[in-house]
Amino acid sequence: KAGVTQTPRYLIKTRGQQVTLSCSPISGHRSVSWYQQTPGQGLQFLFEYFSETQRNKGNFPGRFSGRQFSNSRSEMNVSTLELGDSALYLCASSPGLEPYEQYFGPGTRLTVT
Amino acid sequence: AQKVTQAQTEISVVEKEDVTLDCVYETRDTTYYLFWYKQPPSGELVFLIRRNSFDEQNEISGRYSWNFQKSTSSFNFTITASQVVDSAVYFCALFYTGTASKLTFGTGTRLQVTL
Repeated sequence: KAGVTQTPRYLIKTRGQQVTLSCSPISGHRSVSWYQQTPGQGLQFLFEYFSETQRNKGNFPGRFSGRQFSNSRSEMNVSTLELGDSALYLCASSPGLEPYEQYFGPGTRLTVT
Repeated sequence: AQKVTQAQTEISVVEKEDVTLDCVYETRDTTYYLFWYKQPPSGELVFLIRRNSFDEQNEISGRYSWNFQKSTSSFNFTITASQVVDSAVYFCALFYTGTASKLTFGTGTRLQVTL
C-alpha cells in the first residue's frame, strides 16, 4: 500500500500571500489530521477531517482552514501568511474515528519570507 | 488539561548502550491512548506503539520495550543495545476521547547514538 503523500514537499511564500497544501491518505483511510511542527511550539494539532466533515480543530486562527474531498484527500489553506507560519506541516491518516495509529506523510516545509 | 511531558531534551549514548526515554502524561480521562513515534532526520513520523489506558502490560518488540505505569502516569521507552540507526527524535503522545479528541504530543527527545 502506498503511504501518505503530501504535495508540495517544499514551498517558499511571501508574507501576505496564501498557500494550499495537499494530502492524499492511505487508500481506505477516511480520517485525515493536520499538524504544524515548529522548533518553538513543537507538534501542534490543526484539525481533523472524517467523511468530508471537520471533526476537531486546534487552537489556530481562522486564517488556517481545510477541507476533505469525497475520496478522502484533504487540503489545508493558510491565508494572509505571516512569518510565524513557517513550519513543517504534517498530514496523518488513519482508518477511522477510533484512536488508531496515525500514519504520517513526509510533510510540507513552508517558508514564509 | 491534557499534557505530555518529555523532560529529556537530548540524550547522547554510545552504540550498544541501553537508553530509556521518559514520558509523563496528564489527563482526567479514564479512557485514553498513549503512543510513541520516531522522527528520523527525513522528517516523517513513524508509528512505534499504541497502548490503551486499560492495558498496563509491558511490551517488548525486538530491541524496543515500553513500561506503562498508571500509578505514576508514565509510559517510558527503552532501547536495548542502541544502534546508530536509532538516532532520531522520539515523541510520546496522548490521545484522549473527549469532545475534542485529538493527539497531543510531547516536545520530543532527540537521541544521538554514536560509534
